[in-house]
Amino acid sequence: SAVISQKPSRDICQRGTSLTIQCQVDSQVTMMFWYRQQPGQSLTLIATANQGSEATYESGFVIDKFPISRPNLTFSTLTVSNMSPEDSSIYLCSVVEPYSNQPQHFGDGTRLSIL
Amino acid sequence: AQSVSQHNHHVILSEAASLELGCNYSYGGTVNLFWYVQYPGQHLQLLLKYFSGDPLVKGIKGFEAEFIKSKFSFNLRKPSVQWSDTAEYFCAVTSSSNTGKLIFGQGTTLQVKP
Repeated sequence: SAVISQKPSRDICQRGTSLTIQCQVDSQVTMMFWYRQQPGQSLTLIATANQGSEATYESGFVIDKFPISRPNLTFSTLTVSNMSPEDSSIYLCSVVEPYSNQPQHFGDGTRLSIL
Repeated sequence: AQSVSQHNHHVILSEAASLELGCNYSYGGTVNLFWYVQYPGQHLQLLLKYFSGDPLVKGIKGFEAEFIKSKFSFNLRKPSVQWSDTAEYFCAVTSSSNTGKLIFGQGTTLQVKP
């Protein structure tokens, strides 16, 4: 399966700042997604990263807060903007490979703490 | 709206005990079903998946799950757990028409005592 690299693996940020998380895949994939896992919670889909166009956001998530880029079939970024302590979470990238009946595979995640 | 419910939040077993983790989903259409596992300090890994066909699916490390359509269930089983199975287990579902949107259950923490 595809190898997914996420950077940074963890960070501690100040309130009001922004952080960009990168997701790099070692092969071309059809779909890329960003999830959030808040402390003690399950995973929630933030958005689908669309190659060459604006991301598709789930209810409760907006582009101004979580801008996403996907310039090609192997790379995407998620920015967490104007961070507050409530944004402290693990952010995960996932991908689906271009074959039928493929599950999503997840990166290691970025553990983000906001002071 | 789709939802996934995992019955047990925290399970403690002794080694060699049998395991069954419950998962029920709410969705009226055709679904794809998954179990993921997250070992301590590691990333989320796929245990097994169901897309169609035989409702009894076998995954890695001796795990299996049975899809019972009439009960909207996809319970995870293992006949004999090992200490190394200590992890968090997530049930997840997508609709067949929108395979991108994974809906996760709350997760079950399994602790296996040696």
